Amino acid sequence: AQTVTQSQPEMSVQEAETVTLSCTYDTSESDYYLFWYKQPPSRQMILVIRQEAYKQQNATENRFSVNFQKAAKSFSLKISDSQLGDAAMYFCAYRRGGAQKLVFGQGTRLTINP
Amino acid sequence: DAGVIQSPRHEVTEMGQEVTLRCKPISGHNSLFWYRQTMMRGLELLIYFNNNVPIDDSGMPEDRFSAKMPNASFSTLKIQPSEPRDSAVYFCASSLGLAGFNEQFFGPGTRLTVL
Repeated sequence: AQTVTQSQPEMSVQEAETVTLSCTYDTSESDYYLFWYKQPPSRQMILVIRQEAYKQQNATENRFSVNFQKAAKSFSLKISDSQLGDAAMYFCAYRRGGAQKLVFGQGTRLTINP
Repeated sequence: DAGVIQSPRHEVTEMGQEVTLRCKPISGHNSLFWYRQTMMRGLELLIYFNNNVPIDDSGMPEDRFSAKMPNASFSTLKIQPSEPRDSAVYFCASSLGLAGFNEQFFGPGTRLTVL
């Protein structure tokens, strides 16, 4: 079974600084997708960024980027120029290609210090 | 555009009572998912539907839980009888369940407290 591990239960960063959240996953599949979701205090799950496993180029979305290391099965999220609104729980998720089920990590709580 | 709509947002009930959670997916989406979030177990997929048909219910914890999708715009998750350990946030999500990213759009969740 596929598993997703986020080894950092909590992280904190100074406003305007850069922070990296870690995620590793375990799969024997070659076709899959990876996601980072943000869950602010409002509870709403918001997709931040996504990556297709067959693409070597790392995905970027404005201040958010990933470091996708397929061989190492690592998928870290980098947040540049951190803002107070980035404070939230961040979940890494995996989905096998052709499947519907998302497998989530346990989450990392990110605090932004003003 | 309206996102995924869930009701109620909060539910407090007593052990043994029946609880029904409701979800309206995004119009045009043909896959619907029910998740449960707890501190201990994180986010877990309970069941998902494709074109109103249940595809995988292996995450449903026990027979006390049931889910239905009578049409493309409505789904329910029922717990009968409810127990304190069912206290959690329940999310509904929908997607255009075809190939590719199949981005799942989540509703705001229902916080269930069973006393």
